[in-house]
Formats: sequence, C-alpha cells, structure tokens
Amino acid sequence: AQTVTQSQPEMSVQEAETVTLSCTYDTSESDYYLFWYKQPPSRQMILVIRQEAYKQQNATENRFSVNFQKAAKSFSLKISDSQLGDAAMYFCASSGGSNYKLTFGKGTLLTVNP
Amino acid sequence: NAGVTQTPKFQVLKTGQSMTLQCAQDMNHNSMYWYRQDPGMGLRLIYYSASEGTTDKGEVPNGYNVSRLNKREFSLRLESAAPSQTSVYFCASSYSSSYNEQFFGPGTRLTVL
Repeated sequence: AQTVTQSQPEMSVQEAETVTLSCTYDTSESDYYLFWYKQPPSRQMILVIRQEAYKQQNATENRFSVNFQKAAKSFSLKISDSQLGDAAMYFCASSGGSNYKLTFGKGTLLTVNP
Repeated sequence: NAGVTQTPKFQVLKTGQSMTLQCAQDMNHNSMYWYRQDPGMGLRLIYYSASEGTTDKGEVPNGYNVSRLNKREFSLRLESAAPSQTSVYFCASSYSSSYNEQFFGPGTRLTVL
C-alpha cells in the first residue's frame, strides 16, 4: 500500500519569490515514481514534474524543481520566481512499478500575492 | 489531438437515477482510470483498466461499474445515484505502467439531490 501526505493545506508566496511545498510518502515498492500535479481553478489536472525513484538526480522543469530525499521518503516541490499563474492546488502523487495506481495526497492550495 | 475528453461536463441527478459518464482518449494509451475528487480528500481511484479487456477495482468502487468499450473508451456508470456520490469525476489515461504518467480529462461535476 502507498500513502502520500501533504502537511501544508495552504501556502502563500509573494510574486517573484520562492516557495517550497512539502510531501512525504510511504511505499513498499522498490521501483516507483513520484509526481507533482497542478490544478488551477479551471479544474484541469496538469503534470508539473516527475521523478523516477531510481534516479538520484533531482528533476527540474524550468522554474520548478524537486528535492527528492529517498531515505527520508520526502519529495518537496520548489517554485522559483513565483508568478500569479502559479496559484493553484498542488497535489503530490506516487505510483509503484507494475502497480498502475496513482496515490494522491490531499493537496496544498498555493496563493500568489502580487 | 484532443487528449482525454469527458462528457458531460456537468450533471444533476435525483437520488436513485442512473447515468453513465463517458471518457475517450486519442493518445493510443493502454491504461485508463476513473477518479473522484472531494473537498479535502484529494483524488481517489474508483476503477481502472490496465489494458483493453480488463478492469479492476480501485480504492472506492462501491456504487459504480465500468466498461472498457475499446482501447479508446472507458465509461463509468452509476446504477442508482446517491447524494454521497456528489463529486467531481476525472478520467485519466496512461501509456503503460512502466511510464505511469497519467493525462487527465477536464472532469465532470456531478450533483445528486
């Protein structure tokens, strides 16, 4: 079984500043993947970034990067140079090896202040 | 490519009514999924289809049935709707378990009175 915990129900950041969203997970799989999804008010789920657990290097996508700490089972998302369009609900998720299922955390609502 | 499409976008039902939510993908994905999203709960898996011809229960399957009609289409049926099924429903698809990256449809907001 997999569990994903997001301990910050809400976060806020000033435009152009940096914010980090926390996520911890637990899994019995040896081969698994971790994801951050963004859900803006439009409700569309958008993949932000993806990390393969076997890779030690942290994934980056433009202003988005992760801090993957495998031993601590931690997978935080850092958003640099925050923009108003980054305001959304962010979900951390995990899936394992041959297991097709994505397990989601409960989400963190990010507000970006101008 | 349209990606993952869902119909309808909104629906209001009375308790006891039935309905089918439709989902289709044009990305030639093998796996398809149905989730529900409730406030404060994140997304929870209802059913999934790892490949054409197979379906399996997820975390919250009670009160739902699914049909993988072909590789493109995966429908979710509520036989006798209950107020507890008021939710936003998302369909998703992925190429395979090896990749596990899921692409989501725009969602259906369902209200059961």
